[in-house]
Amino acid sequence: DIVMTQTPLSLSVTPGQPASISCKSSQSLLHSDGKTYLYWYLQKPGQSPQLLIYEVSNRFSGVPDRFSGSGSGTDFTLKISRVEAEDVGVYYCMQSIQLWTFGQGTKVEIK
Amino acid sequence: EVQLVESGGGLVKPGGSLRLSCAASGFTFSNTWMSWVRQAPGKGLEWVGRIVKKTDGGTTDYAAPVKGRFTISRDDSKNTLYLEMNSLKIEDTAVYYCSGRGFWGQGTLVTVSS
Repeated sequence: DIVMTQTPLSLSVTPGQPASISCKSSQSLLHSDGKTYLYWYLQKPGQSPQLLIYEVSNRFSGVPDRFSGSGSGTDFTLKISRVEAEDVGVYYCMQSIQLWTFGQGTKVEIK
Repeated sequence: EVQLVESGGGLVKPGGSLRLSCAASGFTFSNTWMSWVRQAPGKGLEWVGRIVKKTDGGTTDYAAPVKGRFTISRDDSKNTLYLEMNSLKIEDTAVYYCSGRGFWGQGTLVTVSS
């Protein structure tokens, strides 16, 4: 099974400042079709998860451009260029090259 | 607008059974691989299983904790996904979400307790 490891597990950010979350997979997420199956989700308080980024760096429909994803192979990063109050919640990375596995989640709060 | 609406959750005793449904709209359901994901109270996300579209074989895969007890099926004529849960355990208590094409439903709570 592929293990997804996120760091940090919690983050306190001043509004307007950047934030970054790391996700490492125990195996490469690069498929033979050339795609890398790494996703980022945000679960806001009391809501279901919402997709932010698919295949490492593609923003999902309606996602603000302050969110960006990068990385390759086994190391990935989600960056928020300027955190806003509405960005609070738990962020999860997920792989789907071999079924699905989620990271433990990173809780982001506003200072 | 894509909508996924789960139903069927509730309170069930250990060893009991429950069937969850997920009604889909706003996209071509028959052409979509669908998954179930659960979240125990205060915990993270745990993948439960998936069913691929019929043209890809309609096969299913399950996470180890539920394999042999849970069954995923689909009715493309009704745009509905199902999760049949048998031999339920206390540790199956969770909100169950269906997901497809990047969208998730609001979830339905399953509580297994005596």
